[in-house]
Amino acid sequence: GAVVSQHPSRVICKSGTSVKIECRSLDFQATTMFWYRQFPKQSLMLMATSNEGSKATYEQGVEKDKFLINHASLTLSTLTVTSAHPEDSSFYICSARYARGRETEAFFGQGTRLTVV
Amino acid sequence: DAKTTQPPSMDCAEGRAANLPCNHSTISGNEYVYWYRQIHSQGPQYIIHGLKNNETNEMASLIITEDRKSSTLILPHATLRDTAVYYCIVRTPSGSARQLTFGSGTQLTVLP
Repeated sequence: GAVVSQHPSRVICKSGTSVKIECRSLDFQATTMFWYRQFPKQSLMLMATSNEGSKATYEQGVEKDKFLINHASLTLSTLTVTSAHPEDSSFYICSARYARGRETEAFFGQGTRLTVV
Repeated sequence: DAKTTQPPSMDCAEGRAANLPCNHSTISGNEYVYWYRQIHSQGPQYIIHGLKNNETNEMASLIITEDRKSSTLILPHATLRDTAVYYCIVRTPSGSARQLTFGSGTQLTVLP
């Protein structure tokens, strides 16, 4: 299957600092990528849809000024958590849609464990 | 996307078949059944999908009932590495802008 690489896999940062997470589609082009957040013992919750060359679409309740998304190329989307606070500590996961004929498939990165201290 | 219902947890003995059920009684004619799994602290992994015929790949088999209102994912010989949360998702296969909606899934624990 197609490969989606997410970096870093884990990061610890101080409260008030910003953290950037990268999501790359390694062997295919992805016009759309998705960012999810997962708290312990909970399911994945969609945060935003990242579209190449245009503004991201955020889900209700997700602060767009806090979670900055940039999708500057067909293989790279970045999520920047600005002015991070301990409550932002979570598991962040990206996915990219891979088109195979008339079907599309979703492939996921390995996730980023963010801990804000 | 149609709503799915899965048991919250299941146990399975190592080497035995794991049968994970999913109810999707409101599935529409153009929606497929997809299965993903998430091993602890990793991103979800695609397993298999199907429309109405049974499907099999190197990872698992998918059995969909004739009325398509339920399905079963079968891991024929479960190993300890199959311990994960398994998500059943119903959606249409086309359209690049549709995100996946994850329910609670089933926590499968494979016991030695």
